[in-house]
Amino acid sequence: GAGVSQSPSNKVTEKGKDVELRCDPISGHTALYWYRQSLGQGLEFLIYFQGNSAPDKSGLPSDRFSAERTGGSVSTLTIQRTQQEDSAVYLCASSRDSGGLFFGSGTQLSVL
Amino acid sequence: AQSVSQHNHHVILSEAASLELGCNYSYGGTVNLFWYVQYPGQHLQLLLKYFSGDPLVKGIKGFEAEFIKSKFSFNLRKPSVQWSDTAEYFCAAHPARGATNKLIFGTGTLLAVQP
Repeated sequence: GAGVSQSPSNKVTEKGKDVELRCDPISGHTALYWYRQSLGQGLEFLIYFQGNSAPDKSGLPSDRFSAERTGGSVSTLTIQRTQQEDSAVYLCASSRDSGGLFFGSGTQLSVL
Repeated sequence: AQSVSQHNHHVILSEAASLELGCNYSYGGTVNLFWYVQYPGQHLQLLLKYFSGDPLVKGIKGFEAEFIKSKFSFNLRKPSVQWSDTAEYFCAAHPARGATNKLIFGTGTLLAVQP
């Protein structure tokens, strides 16, 4: 597709369950970012992939969070043993260079 | 620590009023600066960016921003707002040189323009 695609668009889960969120970046974009957006908190950086370099994981809030990017394209963000405070919109973005990010529509995660 | 601050969390204006949204950054070296906008129900999209050169940057929809190095600021301006400018605005920055292009965002400013 022409844009960044994220799935699912909505996810409701129970506390303690694991969830996987998927991101399909724009073809040819070497950089991929995950952010978390909560009301009043802005966009919280989670992780950044650039080509074949080691990812910048400095924003992951705990070891329950992990992400991978297979073949330099699709990325999966995994949250293990979800907690209520994990509820947020998880945004993925990609870019070809440092000129600007293209964002997906996000996954709204609700942990009950 | 690297950070981006937006001090106006919620701004309400009438149509045709002038707009200025503040953004300050805290970085150790040269930075690239951005403003993003999120209209209701839409994706975040790039409004304008500054890398180097003329510190006054023009963006889409009549927006502009001025980089003032001495004040570590990159404020967003528009001379006359419209109802359609109602949105959330985010300032962002990343190091201009270095191993990472990690983009850090401010907490956002919610702008409501009243007709």
